[in-house]
Amino acid sequence: GAVVSQHPSWVICKSGTSVKIECRSLDFQATTMFWYRQFPKQSLMLMATSNEGSKATYEQGVEKDKFLINHASLTLSTLTVTSAHPEDSSFYICSARDGGGIYNEQFFGPGTRLTVL
Amino acid sequence: GDSVTQMEGPVTLSEEAFLTINCTYTATGYPSLFWYVQYPGEGLQLLLKATKADDKGSNKGFEATYRKETTSFHLEKGSVQVSDSAVYFCAHWFEGRAGGTSYGKLTFGQGTILTVHP
Repeated sequence: GAVVSQHPSWVICKSGTSVKIECRSLDFQATTMFWYRQFPKQSLMLMATSNEGSKATYEQGVEKDKFLINHASLTLSTLTVTSAHPEDSSFYICSARDGGGIYNEQFFGPGTRLTVL
Repeated sequence: GDSVTQMEGPVTLSEEAFLTINCTYTATGYPSLFWYVQYPGEGLQLLLKATKADDKGSNKGFEATYRKETTSFHLEKGSVQVSDSAVYFCAHWFEGRAGGTSYGKLTFGQGTILTVHP
């Protein structure tokens, strides 16, 4: 199957700093990318959906100015957590879909563990 | 709204035991249904799927049947192995239109931790 990578795998930052997480589809073109947040022992909560070249669509309750999403190419999406605070500490997972292409299914990255001190 | 409800965990079994993880869903229309598995330290992987009523998805000895009448997609395996220890997520994918915009969304259950002992 297709591979989705995330970078970094984990990051520790001070409160008030911004952190950027990259998500790449390695061997397919991702027409749509999704960002999820996973709390310990809980399900994945969809934060936003982005289509290449368009603005992201955020789920209710997710602050778009806090979690900036850019999907500038068919293989790269970035999530920037701006002015991070301890409550933003979580496991962030991206997913990519080739939407009607070879796979037409959703592939998940390994996740990024964010810890805000 | 659309939702997916999984059997509460954690589930602890001995090797070669029979496994069932229940999953029920609510949705408008007829979504595609999935089971994903997350092994320790890894990302989610698609385990199996079913796209219409009465379809049976199967992979690696796991099976699940799309039951429209009971809105369920229970995961089963006849004989689990230690290597099956992981977190299992039931999910449904629904495509729709709202305000002239098409969208697709994968909704997950809360996950079930499975531990298999030798």
